[in-house]
Amino acid sequence: GIQVEQSPPDLILQEGANSTLRCNFSDSVNNLQWFHQNPWGQLINLFYIPSGTKQNGRLSATTVATERYSLLYISSSQTTDSGVYFCAGHIQGAQKLVFGQGTRLTINP
Amino acid sequence: DAGITQSPRYKITETGRQVTLMCHQTWSHSYMFWYRQDLGHGLRLIYYSAAADITDKGEVPDGYVVSRSKTENFPLTLESATRSQTSVYFCASSFGQETQYFGPGTRLLVL
Repeated sequence: GIQVEQSPPDLILQEGANSTLRCNFSDSVNNLQWFHQNPWGQLINLFYIPSGTKQNGRLSATTVATERYSLLYISSSQTTDSGVYFCAGHIQGAQKLVFGQGTRLTINP
Repeated sequence: DAGITQSPRYKITETGRQVTLMCHQTWSHSYMFWYRQDLGHGLRLIYYSAAADITDKGEVPDGYVVSRSKTENFPLTLESATRSQTSVYFCASSFGQETQYFGPGTRLLVL
C-alpha cells in the first residue's frame, strides 16, 4: 500500500542535543518533503528532498531513494525547534501528497 | 502582503449549515490543495486543483465542494456541515510536484 511511516512518534530532548528523525516510504511514493508544525499550528516547509542531502543552518536532510528512507537531522536543538515534524511524499504519477503521522519533538530548556 | 492566506481563521457553525472557507495565494501557483488535520489521522487531502477550472478528489472528499474560477482563489464549501467535519483545515499551493506552501489554517467547530 501507499505508506509514509515516521519514527520515533515522540522525542524529548534537552536544549543543545542533536536529534535524528526517520521517514520510511513505500515504492509508490517519491519526492519527499519535510515540514515543521510549530506549537501555534503553522506548517513550514523545511526541505524538498527527492534524493541526496540538503542543509539549512542547524537542519539537514538526507533521502536515500533506492532504500526508501529519509532522515532529518537537527543539531544543537533550541526550544523553538519544538513542534511536530512531518514527512510527506507524492504518490507517483499524481499530485497528491501523503503524510506520515509525524514526530512530536519537545526541547526542554 | 504576498503569500497564502485563509479566512476565516476561526469559525463556529451548527449542523446542517453551509460554510465556505476561503483560500487566496499571490504566487500564481498552478496547484492548490485543501487538507484537514485531525488527531489520530494526521493531514489528509480533501481536494486539489491543477489549474483554474480543473479540480480533483483527494482522500476524503465526501461532504465538500470546491471551485476554482480564478488561479489565485480556491474556496472549500461544506454544503451541510456535520460534527465529523470539525477539524483544522489547511490550504496549500505549489508550482508543481515540488515544495508545497501552507496557509495558516482555519479552525472549524460544528456544533
